[in-house]
Amino acid sequence: DVKVTQSSRYLVKRTGEKVFLECVQDMDHENMFWYRQDPGLGLRLIYFSYDVKMKEKGDIPEGYSVSREKKERFSLILESASTNQTSMYLCASTHGQLTDTQYFGPGTRLTVL
Amino acid sequence: RKEVEQDPGPFNVPEGATVAFNCTYSNSASQSFFWYRQDCRKEPKLLMSVYSSGNEDGRFTAQLNRASQYISLLIRDSKLSDSATYLCVVNNYLTGNQFYFGTGTSLTVIP
Repeated sequence: DVKVTQSSRYLVKRTGEKVFLECVQDMDHENMFWYRQDPGLGLRLIYFSYDVKMKEKGDIPEGYSVSREKKERFSLILESASTNQTSMYLCASTHGQLTDTQYFGPGTRLTVL
Repeated sequence: RKEVEQDPGPFNVPEGATVAFNCTYSNSASQSFFWYRQDCRKEPKLLMSVYSSGNEDGRFTAQLNRASQYISLLIRDSKLSDSATYLCVVNNYLTGNQFYFGTGTSLTVIP
């Protein structure tokens, strides 16, 4: 059974803190993605990665960075959290370019106070 | 202009009804199309891919119209368990494998 896990389901941080969100997949997938989901805006892509140490900006990368040191792990970093980064963060992975399924983690609901 | 647009609904239908959702996409080069289902406070999960010739999976039928750049999802004989948000997703893997999601259409099936 495929599995994508995220380090926390709920997280509360203060403005200015550095925040790490971790995502791990056990399917040996090449591609990994970080999205945020907000009411009325849907899922928006923050960053994605094709391979270890590779990263590409998505639609809303400002205020975020990512790290992919190992194939199974993709981390999202908020360098200095702000209240407008309060959101649901979803990690996903896919096998390759021609795959037809994204597998999502359960999400992390981040609140920045 | 958004890459993918959906009517947010909500759609409230009685059990047994047939309901249809449409979704339009802006990039004519899009190559892969999907419907995902998202239950409240859960992650999205693939419902079905959408193929050019149209495809059916039980009570669910998906169709693609490339000329008009829209995809549709038809649910027949609605069940209470079909209540969820349905997300339209398109992908152009030749330009970076980025998936674009619609904002979702909310469906509630009423007893």
